Amino acid sequence: EVQLVESGGGLVQPGGSLRLSCAASGFTFSSYWMSWVRQAPGKGLEWVANIKQDGSEKYYVDSVKGRFTISRDNAKNSLYLQMNSLRAEDTAVYYCASFSSPPAWGQGTLVTVSS
Amino acid sequence: SYELTQPPSVSVSPGQTARITCSGDALPKQYAYWYQQKPGQAPVLVIYKDSERPSGIPERFSGSSSGTTVTLTISGVQAEDEADYYCQSADSSGTRWVFGGGTKLTVL
Repeated sequence: EVQLVESGGGLVQPGGSLRLSCAASGFTFSSYWMSWVRQAPGKGLEWVANIKQDGSEKYYVDSVKGRFTISRDNAKNSLYLQMNSLRAEDTAVYYCASFSSPPAWGQGTLVTVSS
Repeated sequence: SYELTQPPSVSVSPGQTARITCSGDALPKQYAYWYQQKPGQAPVLVIYKDSERPSGIPERFSGSSSGTTVTLTISGVQAEDEADYYCQSADSSGTRWVFGGGTKLTVL
């Protein structure tokens, strides 16, 4: 069974940093592009970042460029999102997702940016 | 930046057919995916690659594509189908995802 489990969310002050992790199982993690998607309270889904199978290509939504970094460790079947210079508008549930067929999503981890 | 356009709301009576559209210039080149989200829950994939249905999704959910518009059709709508529905695709390069704004399906 394909499973994606996010962790690392929590409360952080504006300007702070947080690292999200996503543990993958049940599929060949190294064969697929991976993504982070977020959803602010009461809002729609927003794509955040994508990473290629070997990590050689990374793409970001404009609002997080220069602040967030997506990475992966294929040996550990894990996806990461390093979030720096956090802002109130980054408050959201963050989901990791696979480009597998069909795609798979985790249950999400909540990030709250507030003083 | 690239956008996908969905109607904000659709209303149908139980047993009727609901159709939710999603429009975008790159849809002829990129697959579309549909997600159902109920309050307080994570999104659930109901259609992938325009018209494929994941295992466990009822047959009343179907997807189609025509030019720059894709459509999610729910036949014989049930009360439990009331939810927000999001379409998702990629830009023309296929490297950046994009989501529609979501459609709230109300079962009258």
